[in-house]
Amino acid sequence: DIQMTQSPSSLSASVGDRVTITCQASQDISDNLNWYQQKPGKAPQVLIYDASFLEGGVPSRVSGSGSGTDFTFTISSLQPEDVATYFCQQYDSLPWTFGQGTKVE
Amino acid sequence: EVHLVESGGGLVKPGRSLRLSCTTSGFTFGDFALSWFRQAPGKGLEWVGFIRSKSYGGTTEKSPSLKGRFTVSRDDSKGIAYLQISSLKIEDTGVYYCSRDRYYYGSGKFDSWGQGTLVTVSS
Repeated sequence: DIQMTQSPSSLSASVGDRVTITCQASQDISDNLNWYQQKPGKAPQVLIYDASFLEGGVPSRVSGSGSGTDFTFTISSLQPEDVATYFCQQYDSLPWTFGQGTKVE
Repeated sequence: EVHLVESGGGLVKPGRSLRLSCTTSGFTFGDFALSWFRQAPGKGLEWVGFIRSKSYGGTTEKSPSLKGRFTVSRDDSKGIAYLQISSLKIEDTGVYYCSRDRYYYGSGKFDSWGQGTLVTVSS
């Protein structure tokens, strides 16, 4: 199975801060990576697919980059509504696997 | 608008079976693969399995770590996907989600999720 190592596990930031989360795959997954946002008690919401493509309706302050084994998720200017847990997920090969999550407070 | 609604969760004793449903609307169900995921309390997400569109054989894939107790099926006439779980264990407790794959063959790219149904396994 491909292991997805996400860091940090949590972070605290202020409104307007730039927030960066990293995800490292245990082997090359090309750009086969999703990023999700999950708020407490809610279903995950896809923000980014193919490592860098924004899902429709996702604000432009959100971005993703990377390829191969190293990926980055960035919120350029944190807003109050961005408080959530963020997960990466690879779909390069089965079983599809997730990072452990990053709680943004 | 695409909607997926999971149901069938609840409190179940260890060793029993359960069938979860994912009722969909707002799209041509038969054109898409459907996946199931679960999330144990306070934990991350785990992929359970998926079923391809019937036009791609309607075949299924499951997480090898789940050892055959999970079965994914679909009823295209009703627009419902199912997850059958047998011999339930306490560690199966969690919220179970279904999601729509962007493609009929199961790409791992998902564009819609249901709100989840809680399964609690306890004696």
